[in-house]
Amino acid sequence: GAGVSQSPSNKVTEKGKDVELRCDPISGHTALYWYRQSLGQGLEFLIYFQGNSAPDKSGLPSDRFSAERTGGSVSTLTIQRTQQEDSAVYLCASSITGSRSYNEQFFGPGTRLTVL
Amino acid sequence: AQSVTQPDIHITVSEGASLELRCNYSYGATPYLFWYVQSPGQGLQLLLKYFSGDTLVQGIKGFEAEFKRSQSSFNLRKPSVHWSDAAEYFCAVKAAGNKLTFGGGTRVLVKP
Repeated sequence: GAGVSQSPSNKVTEKGKDVELRCDPISGHTALYWYRQSLGQGLEFLIYFQGNSAPDKSGLPSDRFSAERTGGSVSTLTIQRTQQEDSAVYLCASSITGSRSYNEQFFGPGTRLTVL
Repeated sequence: AQSVTQPDIHITVSEGASLELRCNYSYGATPYLFWYVQSPGQGLQLLLKYFSGDTLVQGIKGFEAEFKRSQSSFNLRKPSVHWSDAAEYFCAVKAAGNKLTFGGGTRVLVKP
């Protein structure tokens, strides 16, 4: 079946604009994760959704970042008033569930965000 | 808090030679450890994982890794490298809630 998909693959925006990044997880996966990959900070966890539970937002770097997951499937990561330091590749992953000891996370190809 | 260190930022290896990538972790409990590979323009692919039991784990693409608790290490190895192994490799440890903490990555270049 299809893997995790993300759109757009590339996004160029101007400083101060808002952007939305989309993630479609693997069908049937109840857990969804966002990570950020940047030159200065490496791969960082941002936020984690598990079913209908409250998301773990502990990795969001500022209140300009938010994410939602509609219907337990598609997720949107929103960055408001983008700054140049937001430039990075944003990776989404999903797993069957996050509530057992471990379930493999399957990653999407990422969205490369460039803030001018 | 957990952390992962990959001491080598870049490694260059000749095709057919062996490869070893180092990973050291810091974690208070028994760790769940992983190695991922990222080819240019691609997402992360899981190579192998360690949860418990046999400390030598086999993965895909001919890779293996050995967990050494006394050294807090989980080094990745491959006996004979192929040109297609050129990529970036990430070691990771599972934290609470299933989220992963990654090392800084090691970029592998393969010489013909």
